[in-house]
Amino acid sequence: AQKVTQAQTEISVVEKEDVTLDCVYETRDTTYYLFWYKQPPSGELVFLIRRNSFDEQNEISGRYSWNFQKSTSSFNFTITASQVVDSAVYFCALSEAIGKGGSEKLVFGKGTKLTVNP
Amino acid sequence: GAGVSQSPSNKVTEKGKDVELRCDPISGHTALYWYRQSLGQGLEFLIYFQGNSAPDKSGLPSDRFSAERTGGSVSTLTIQRTQQEDSAVYLCASSLGWRDEQFFGPGTRLTVL
Repeated sequence: AQKVTQAQTEISVVEKEDVTLDCVYETRDTTYYLFWYKQPPSGELVFLIRRNSFDEQNEISGRYSWNFQKSTSSFNFTITASQVVDSAVYFCALSEAIGKGGSEKLVFGKGTKLTVNP
Repeated sequence: GAGVSQSPSNKVTEKGKDVELRCDPISGHTALYWYRQSLGQGLEFLIYFQGNSAPDKSGLPSDRFSAERTGGSVSTLTIQRTQQEDSAVYLCASSLGWRDEQFFGPGTRLTVL
């Protein structure tokens, strides 16, 4: 069974600090996809990034960056110069193929609650 | 364009009653998913629809849960004889296709008294 572990349950930082959210995954698939989602207090899950297992290049989008390392089965997320609006629960997820019928699902970590204080 | 919509946003029901939750996916998305989010269990997969193929129901927790998707678009999740442990936020998501990013709706918060 596939598994996603987000060891940090809660993180609290002061605005402008950098913060890294850890994600470690387990899978037997050779091809897989990893995702990060943000869930602000309003509740709606917001897609942030999708990365396939063949692409280990780090990605940067504004203040967000992701570090994918297959050797350690990790897909960490860094927010640079954090802002109050970054306060949310962040979920890492792994796309798992189900059986041989072509169906699939997301397996989510438990989430990391990030609080950015002014 | 319009995102995934769900209705109702909140539903309070009495134990033993049946409930229906609705999901309107993003137009053109062939894949549709139901998940539920509860404090104890986190985010759990329930069911997956892809085009006209038979749905994957492997995540449904009991036979009280069922779902259908009509015309490849709107989906309804039905919970019969609701129990208190069914209380959760039920999330619907859609994607263009297999393993594409999933876009989530705002969810339906179900409370079973």
